Amino acid sequence: GENVGLHLPTLSVQEGDNSIINCAYSNSASDYFIWYKQESGKGPQFIIDIRSNMDKRQGQRVTVLLNKTVKHLSLQIAATQPGDSAVYFCAETGATNKLIFGTGTLLAVQP
Amino acid sequence: GAVVSQHPSWVICKSGTSVKIECRSLDFQATTMFWYRQFPKQSLMLMATSNEGSKATYEQGVEKDKFLINHASLTLSTLTVTSAHPEDSSFYICSARPPHGTSQETQYFGPGTRLLVL
Repeated sequence: GENVGLHLPTLSVQEGDNSIINCAYSNSASDYFIWYKQESGKGPQFIIDIRSNMDKRQGQRVTVLLNKTVKHLSLQIAATQPGDSAVYFCAETGATNKLIFGTGTLLAVQP
Repeated sequence: GAVVSQHPSWVICKSGTSVKIECRSLDFQATTMFWYRQFPKQSLMLMATSNEGSKATYEQGVEKDKFLINHASLTLSTLTVTSAHPEDSSFYICSARPPHGTSQETQYFGPGTRLLVL
């Protein structure tokens, strides 16, 4: 049925600022984590991944941090641009190889 | 590389009809494909895992007779929504996993299919 009033957590940032999007994952046995970007009406787009034997990984303008102790994942976007505006999902997977998605965060970049 | 396509991108149908959605991996062979459903402002929910040449594995609560999945080749999986009803209206997204030896856990997603059942 329709979820009246349902809304995504929103992070609003100014263009040029750094963005930090957080995610709490559920399964301590998960050993592979991925961040996806989803623009309106499109499928998720792979951004960056990290394995559980690492705590940090950097890409182009993006960094993922993993804290296994508290089951926390974050995505940092440097010099945020209007084109970064989208919904960002973290996803975890483990022995089953099934992806479990987090609830998502809407990133709104103000020009 | 790692391009996944879906067809159609959107479909409107009458209640009671069946709708087939295709998912293709364009530049790699995918022994495993996945089907997700996403309602507005919600996350992706896995419906089923599609394995080439064998029966699909459905998640709890997903009716296999309602959502028929066929994975007849290494580049094509189809999802058929049978006797569609308005509550089946949703955004259906497939993904495909690259072959063994690459980053096997990574899934690449199609652009999604918007289904509206009247």
